[in-house]
Amino acid sequence: SAVISQKPSRDICQRGTSLTIQCQVDSQVTMMFWYRQQPGQSLTLIATANQGSEATYESGFVIDKFPISRPNLTFSTLTVSNMSPEDSSIYLCSVVDWLAGDNEQFFGPGTRLTVL
Amino acid sequence: AQSVTQLDSQVPVFEEAPVELRCNYSSSVSVYLFWYVQYPNQGLQLLLKYLSGSTLVKGINGFEAEFNKSQTSFHLRKPSVHISDTAEYFCAVSPHIYNQGGKLIFGQGTELSVKP
Repeated sequence: SAVISQKPSRDICQRGTSLTIQCQVDSQVTMMFWYRQQPGQSLTLIATANQGSEATYESGFVIDKFPISRPNLTFSTLTVSNMSPEDSSIYLCSVVDWLAGDNEQFFGPGTRLTVL
Repeated sequence: AQSVTQLDSQVPVFEEAPVELRCNYSSSVSVYLFWYVQYPNQGLQLLLKYLSGSTLVKGINGFEAEFNKSQTSFHLRKPSVHISDTAEYFCAVSPHIYNQGGKLIFGQGTELSVKP
């Protein structure tokens, strides 16, 4: 199983600023994803972080608002740009090693973001 | 495209009673199926998954689920619940497509509340 860490674990930010969330995995993985869980809601996929190329965004999410980097097979960042209170959520990183035939998806502990 | 519907947003039940949490899905391609649990203020934990083979899947903490392809359902069951099972339960699907493989589409969640 993969062990995932996220930084920061929580933050309180001012409207209009940006926050970059880091996701580190203890092993090389094929796929990395970023999800958002708004208060009292389910998880929604933001994008697939592709190693060495641009992320693939889901409907309703755009690169200008949520730029993502994935420089290697163990690390990714998600930036929440020009934040508003509506961005207050838990942001989760997850990984799955699709090519290894393991379809289990492992989740990080999440980053709890509050925007004032 | 895929979608997941969890038919009950809240399920109150008494301790030691049986419980069933219902999940239906829609997909134009084959999918893998998952149940996750989220305890209060904690991260997501995989309960069980269906990839192929036997349609009855056993997971952790005494939970099991049955995949019914004709009814496109994946209901979660436990014969006798404990207070400690109080949590939010999420049903999710993942498409059998390489370039989409791994990404999860979640249902809205079912809040299981076990009372003494």
